[in-house]
Amino acid sequence: DIQMTQSPSTLSASVGDRVTITCRASQSISSWLAWYQQKPGKAPKLLIYKASSLESGVPSRFSGSGSGTEFTLTISSLQPDDFATYYCQQYNSYVFGPGTKVDIK
Amino acid sequence: EVQLVESGGGLIQPGGSLRLSCAASGFTVSSNYMSWVRQAPGKGLEWVSVIYSGGSTYYADSVKGRFTISRDNSKNTLYLQMNSLRAEDTAVYYCALASGSLVSPFDYWGQGTLVTVSS
Repeated sequence: DIQMTQSPSTLSASVGDRVTITCRASQSISSWLAWYQQKPGKAPKLLIYKASSLESGVPSRFSGSGSGTEFTLTISSLQPDDFATYYCQQYNSYVFGPGTKVDIK
Repeated sequence: EVQLVESGGGLIQPGGSLRLSCAASGFTVSSNYMSWVRQAPGKGLEWVSVIYSGGSTYYADSVKGRFTISRDNSKNTLYLQMNSLRAEDTAVYYCALASGSLVSPFDYWGQGTLVTVSS
């Protein structure tokens, strides 16, 4: 079974910072990788699919890259609305990563 | 507009059964891949089950043999029958739609329904 890991587990940052979250797969998953944002008490929201494609309506400060086993989510300039938990998902077999919480420094 | 509305959660004793519903609008459940995803309190997301448009079903190992996913095409509703419930099944349960092609992420989610398994 494919395992997904994320680093860091928690990230403290300030508004305006450039933020990068890494997701690794235990074996190659091609580009079947999605990123979700979740705020407390809310359902997850799809941000990125196919590793680097931006979901409609998602701000362009969010970007994704990678293929195979290593992927990154980058927020180019962190905004107050971006403090949340981010999950990667290998959506060919539905496996989620453990999440990365982005909080205020 | 796509909408997913879960219901059926609540407090249930260990060993009990519960059926969750996900009423869909704005699309046809039977033409899409529909999943249940859960989140234990303070924990991450865990995929639970999927039903494909062709009717095939798949389950996470943690629920295999205890949970059953199904749909009612006439009601455009997705279900999750949960039997032999355990404390570790306590979670918010979300239904999720993958509206794209054969392999696609979950682009629509319901608001979730809380299941608490406790005596």
